[in-house]
Amino acid sequence: TQLLEQSPQFLSIQEGENLTVYCNSSSVFSSLQWYRQEPGEGPVLLVTVVTGGEVKKLKRLTFQFGDARKDSSLHITAAQPGDTGLYLCAGVDSGSARQLTFGSGTQLTVLP
Amino acid sequence: DAGVTQSPTHLIKTRGQHVTLRCSPISGHKSVSWYQQVLGQGPQFIFQYYEKEERGRGNFPDRFSARQFPNYSSELNVNALLLGDSALYLCASSLGITLNTEAFFGQGTRLTVV
Repeated sequence: TQLLEQSPQFLSIQEGENLTVYCNSSSVFSSLQWYRQEPGEGPVLLVTVVTGGEVKKLKRLTFQFGDARKDSSLHITAAQPGDTGLYLCAGVDSGSARQLTFGSGTQLTVLP
Repeated sequence: DAGVTQSPTHLIKTRGQHVTLRCSPISGHKSVSWYQQVLGQGPQFIFQYYEKEERGRGNFPDRFSARQFPNYSSELNVNALLLGDSALYLCASSLGITLNTEAFFGQGTRLTVV
């Protein structure tokens, strides 16, 4: 069974601060996806990283996939209240690539 | 185009009862996956169906079953409900059988077992 450990579980910061969310596993994944989920909604895909060492940027969000494809990080620069939400990492299994293994999520609150 | 639609949005059931949740994928998508998200946790994989056949199953008891219809819509059935089955049930659709392309999630069905 592949597991993803996500940290921190909760994060409350002031507007303008930077933050990093980590996603770690002992397993290798085919690719890793980051989602954001609002209350009462399903997760919405932010980015997919596929290659070990890959870095992708989405405005103020920077996503990195570890060289060994076992871990990933999400860095947000100058956080804004609109960034508030549940951030989930999810690994695509390296076998059949048919299921997502989700981390437990990071609940981010950005205070104005 | 409509996204992934799930029904009902909320449901309250009593222990021991049976429940059926429904999902309509995005038009043209042939793969439907079901996930259970317990409060405070990430979603857990239950099933994947592709072209009306089960292609993957997570670590859930036999009380959980699903099927996919010729129009690619899907139903998730849970028998003999337990309090611990209370969760948000999410349906995701994707174009192909693998998840190396984007999966789109519905808004979920919030099931409460009392």
